[in-house]
Amino acid sequence: QKEVEQDPGPLSVPEGAIVSLNCTYSNSAFQYFMWYRQYSRKGPELLMYTYSSGNKEDGRFTAQVDKSSKYISLFIRDSQPSDSATYLCAMSAADYKLSFGAGTTVTVRA
Amino acid sequence: DADVTQTPRNRITKTGKRIMLECSQTKGHDRMYWYRQDPGLGLRLIYYSFDVKDINKGEISDGYSVSRQAQAKFSLSLESAIPNQTALYFCATSDSLAGGGGTDTQYFGPGTRLTVL
Repeated sequence: QKEVEQDPGPLSVPEGAIVSLNCTYSNSAFQYFMWYRQYSRKGPELLMYTYSSGNKEDGRFTAQVDKSSKYISLFIRDSQPSDSATYLCAMSAADYKLSFGAGTTVTVRA
Repeated sequence: DADVTQTPRNRITKTGKRIMLECSQTKGHDRMYWYRQDPGLGLRLIYYSFDVKDINKGEISDGYSVSRQAQAKFSLSLESAIPNQTALYFCATSDSLAGGGGTDTQYFGPGTRLTVL
């Protein structure tokens, strides 16, 4: 079993819809949770960073962490065609090494 | 991406050949990483280096070696390439002083697409 599970999709939504992405994990030592966005033929770039449980909002993006369920989510409100990308969840214990999910490919249709 | 550069961007080689992928960074970061990305498997850590004299194996280091020539340069070598090493390879960097404890943001290069025939 992988340490981090993420549905690879693909996910296709109309412009303006809410995009919901999630990951589950098995390592209870994880306490730092990230979402990276990767455009085609580019390297991943950090989108959201959360420590421990709770919610974090940044513009149209909201990250949620539920450590009791070992479940994290990313919501994109009012999605735009420019949000079309692969979204990777990543998490870390206090050892500075990241464990990544497989990534979910999202297409927002104009 | 311009702060972290990778060469070459694309490479096609044959089984048994020795290949070197190079990574350079101008961010002044002390930590550098090599990952490979495969469809359905995400990013997996091959090697990482927390400073010039520190090299550590990641989860999939077999068949790979690395060299940290300077703080800004970290090379990945495939001594004898095999087809299942066909993948997208990423270099990343992070700054141990910026994390505030626990973890630090990793910045990725644009990737090298390697095909082993």
